[in-house]
Amino acid sequence: DQQVKQNSPSLSVQEGRISILNCDYTNSMFDYFLWYKKYPAEGPTFLISISSIKDKNEDGRFTVFLNKSAKHLSLHIVPSQPGDSAVYFCAAREGTSGSRLTFGEGTQLTVNP
Amino acid sequence: DTEVTQTPKHLVMGMTNKKSLKCEQHMGHRAMYWYKQKAKKPPELMFVYSYEKLSINESVPSRFSPECPNSSLLNLHLHALQPEDSALYLCASSQQTLGLNQPQHFGDGTRLSIL
Repeated sequence: DQQVKQNSPSLSVQEGRISILNCDYTNSMFDYFLWYKKYPAEGPTFLISISSIKDKNEDGRFTVFLNKSAKHLSLHIVPSQPGDSAVYFCAAREGTSGSRLTFGEGTQLTVNP
Repeated sequence: DTEVTQTPKHLVMGMTNKKSLKCEQHMGHRAMYWYKQKAKKPPELMFVYSYEKLSINESVPSRFSPECPNSSLLNLHLHALQPEDSALYLCASSQQTLGLNQPQHFGDGTRLSIL
């Protein structure tokens, strides 16, 4: 049972445009959500997170939106840059599980110059 | 640059070998994690240490043996591995496991190949 889903395996965007990466979840007990970026041959790098008590969190070019009623979150990157090309993982934590993160399958973002 | 350092970066071993993966962090984090990641798949949690005590073992086979000698170090001892254990092994750390909404920070991993 996949509790965190990223339905788009890949996304291609022009430089300067907005990239929108989506993530859906099924577990209503998830209370903390994170986005990680992963380049080949490197570990995942933490990008941005959001608590379930918020619906938006912004950090520079990155904004995460959370829609609890739809069990959906999205990551917006504006403007997109070629260096943003990477695999993006959505992850979620259930408060009672302490530290266990459940990851989505990832979305390969390609930003074309 | 990652603040979680893993060694070695690559490891090739036979099924009868014994080897260890090492992880170090100097961020004062009290929670450390081992993950396994297969190609084109998300990381899968293996073990969690909280304040140097094993708090989660995700039913990992005993051929993987974790050890946390102190709050900065985490080892993963490997013995009699199988070819299907070939994967990227990632270490991560966070401030603690409960209460705070704190992200886990990952190292670059050890690429393990079992012959």
